[in-house]
Amino acid sequence: QQQVKQSPQSLIVQKGGISIINCAYENTAFDYFPWYQQFPGKGPALLIAIRPDVSEKKEGRFTISFNKSAKQFSLHIMDSQPGDSATYFCAASMAFNKFYFGSGTKLNVKP
Amino acid sequence: DSGVTQTPKHLITATGQRVTLRCSPRSGDLSVYWYQQSLDQGLQFLIQYYNGEERAKGNILERFSAQQFPDLHSELNLSSLELGDSALYFCASSVGTSGTGAQYFGPGTRLTVL
Repeated sequence: QQQVKQSPQSLIVQKGGISIINCAYENTAFDYFPWYQQFPGKGPALLIAIRPDVSEKKEGRFTISFNKSAKQFSLHIMDSQPGDSATYFCAASMAFNKFYFGSGTKLNVKP
Repeated sequence: DSGVTQTPKHLITATGQRVTLRCSPRSGDLSVYWYQQSLDQGLQFLIQYYNGEERAKGNILERFSAQQFPDLHSELNLSSLELGDSALYFCASSVGTSGTGAQYFGPGTRLTVL
């Protein structure tokens, strides 16, 4: 059973637009929800993370929105740039032990 | 540069063989995680070590094993290799369960089984 479901699988956005990637989880014991960015040939890099006691966290152009009751969280990339073109993974963890990753979203920002 | 190092970068071997992948965590990080990423697939958690002890196990095959040494580096051993084991293997480290939880990933080892 997939613990974290991510959508869409791929996303094309115009430069300057907003990219939105969604994730849903089942296990209410998860207490840490990070997002990772991965460029081809590189390891994933932590972008931003949130705990379930807050509904939103913003860092620069990146915002996580968290809906505890719906068991959903999403990544918003404002003013998307071609340099943001990468694969994005959401994840969930319990006490920083097992991390469950979504299947990834390939973002392409058109110039 | 995340500060996590993995060797080798590439590994090509034959079915039935055994290989060892090595990971050195960031200075001060006590936790090491291993992941497998197949082509166009997400990251599958394999196993976690914390300060030398196994902390959590994921979808790790019985043919695979890992350990974390006193100097905190970790090795992932893959034996009786099959074609389907071809993948990118990532190691990540974090300060541990008392820290922020932020994982820092290494550059990965690309394993090709022929």
